[in-house]
Parts: sequence; C-alpha cells; structure tokens
Amino acid sequence: DIQMTQSPSTMSASVGDRVTITCRASQDIDGRLAWYQQKPGEGPKLLIYRTSNLATGVQSRFSGSGSASGTEFTLTISNLQPDDFATYHCQQYNYDYSFGQGTKLDIK
Amino acid sequence: EVQLVQSRAEVKKPGESLRISCQASGYRFSNYWVAWVRQVPGKGLEWMGKIDPDDSYTNYSPSFRGHVTMSADKSISTAYLQWTSLKASDTAIYYCARLISGDYGFDPWGQGTLVIVSS
Repeated sequence: DIQMTQSPSTMSASVGDRVTITCRASQDIDGRLAWYQQKPGEGPKLLIYRTSNLATGVQSRFSGSGSASGTEFTLTISNLQPDDFATYHCQQYNYDYSFGQGTKLDIK
Repeated sequence: EVQLVQSRAEVKKPGESLRISCQASGYRFSNYWVAWVRQVPGKGLEWMGKIDPDDSYTNYSPSFRGHVTMSADKSISTAYLQWTSLKASDTAIYYCARLISGDYGFDPWGQGTLVIVSS
C-alpha cells in the first residue's frame, strides 16, 4: 500500500493570506497526485490533478507542485478568500488509490 | 450538468442488510468507472473499490473485499453499494465518484450517504 502523509492536519489563516499544504507519499507515485476541497456536508471537489493541472473551473489562485523525488507535493492557495476555508485532501492514483488524512483550514 | 445523486441517510441495527445507491446524470454512465469512498466522521477518506458500469467488473480495496458488494444497473444509470450484515464499525459517510480514466482523478462526487449502525 502507498501511504500518504499530509501536513499540517489543521491550520489557521486570514483572508488574503497565502498558504501551503504538504503531502508526502511513501514511494514514488510518478506525479499521479490529486488535490480535493471538501466543505461540511458536501462531497469533495477536484481541484488539481497530475500534481499541477487545474481541474475545470478552478481558480488560478490554487496551484500544485511536486519534487523531483516524486514523493513530496504541495498545494498552494494564494490570496485566501472566505470560500476557501474548508478541508483539503491529497490522493495518489498511481497504484490503486489512497488519501492523506486531510488538512482543515480555518479562519484565524 | 454531470451529477451523482446518492440515496438518503440510513439508520440500521447490527446484522441488518443495506443497499445504498448513486444515480448518475449528464453523461454516458457506461463510459466511466464509479468509485466508492468511505469517510468515518472526523477521519480521512478511504478508497473502497470501483466498478465498471459497462460490464460490472469490480476492483475492491483489500481492506473492503468480502465486506461489501458493488453493483451497477446501466439501464437506470445507477451504482449500488451493499452490505449483507452491518457492523457498528460500518458507521460512516459513503461517497460515490466518477472515475475519469487516465490521469484526472475522481470528478464529480456524490453528496454522500450517512449510514449509522447502532443497536
């Protein structure tokens, strides 16, 4: 199994801030990494696929990147808006599927 | 609009059976796998397995194989997740999601079905 470790588990920020969430895979996943946003009472929404590609309709304030090792990935949200306060999940889909434990982003 | 609409919340007793559903609209149902994901309240997401609605071929996560059954009826664009004997540990929110083949992820997701198993 590929284990996904996400950090931090919770974080606080203010509107207008820039935040970064990190996800680490237990082995090289060849860039097959997606990020999702989940709000209370809703299913997750795809934000980014293949490390850095924005899903349809997702604002460019969201960006993703990965390291050369193939195991470290980041989601960056610039100019935080009120609608961005939610829980974010990473997911690898290189071998079956597995998720990080989630990062809850709340208002400072 | 591509949409997955799931069945309502259920409250069951241990040992009872249950089938929840996920109805697709806005796209050709047979063309995309459907995945099921579990979320225990306050915890992360767990992939349970996936089904090809075209031929009902399934691929289960080892953690869930033998505990649930996935099926699909392409004539009504609906996927199902079924238990024959529920346990308290099955209490969770269950999501279905369309799996876009290749390199895209799960999109979209259903709104989730809360299953509570309690005596």
